[in-house]
Amino acid sequence: KQEVTQIPAALSVPEGENLVLNCSFTDSAIYNLQWFRQDPGKGLTSLLLIQSSQREQTSGRLNASLDKSSGRSTLYIAASQPGDSATYLCARRSGGGADGLTFGKGTHLIIQP
Amino acid sequence: DTAVSQTPKYLVTQMGNDKSIKCEQNLGHDTMYWYKQDSKKFLKIMFSYNNKELIINETVPNRFSPKSPDKAHLNLHINSLELGDSAVYFCASSQDLGLAGGGELFFGEGSRLTVL
Repeated sequence: KQEVTQIPAALSVPEGENLVLNCSFTDSAIYNLQWFRQDPGKGLTSLLLIQSSQREQTSGRLNASLDKSSGRSTLYIAASQPGDSATYLCARRSGGGADGLTFGKGTHLIIQP
Repeated sequence: DTAVSQTPKYLVTQMGNDKSIKCEQNLGHDTMYWYKQDSKKFLKIMFSYNNKELIINETVPNRFSPKSPDKAHLNLHINSLELGDSAVYFCASSQDLGLAGGGELFFGEGSRLTVL
């Protein structure tokens, strides 16, 4: 059974800190991995997509890495801001075509002003 | 211009009723999905359609029937609604890139279904 685990489940830090969110997955067969944020009552916003052939992707203050051999991905957020407060979801895709994403349960992040 | 749009955004109905949720994407993608987010916020895939063909049906009760009139639309019809169907249903789309890699999934804003 494919599983995606995210640690920690919740995190509260003061503004300005750099932080790391962790994602691990069983089964090293991976097609790509995608990080999303979800604000309360809203849909999912795609943050970063890492293909299986890539090691990392960067967008602004966000950096996501992928280590297939250990079955892990991390999302690094630099200089956190209150607007970063949201639930962050990691999702892996094990195959191409119409194969969907398997999601973790998310990390609920609060950035204190 | 919204890339993936769902209607309605909110739906409140009685047990036993039949309801539909519509989804449209204007991204030109060839694959569309329905996901269910339960009360614990866990997202799980329900269906996937690629070029109007059902690809995945992840142990969903047959009261749920997806219908895709064309590759830009994927509707979800639910018969005989039960209390446990209360959830947020998300539509998503992607473009499969074959050997070049997997397409990024884009999600709609969700449709919150409440069954009384």
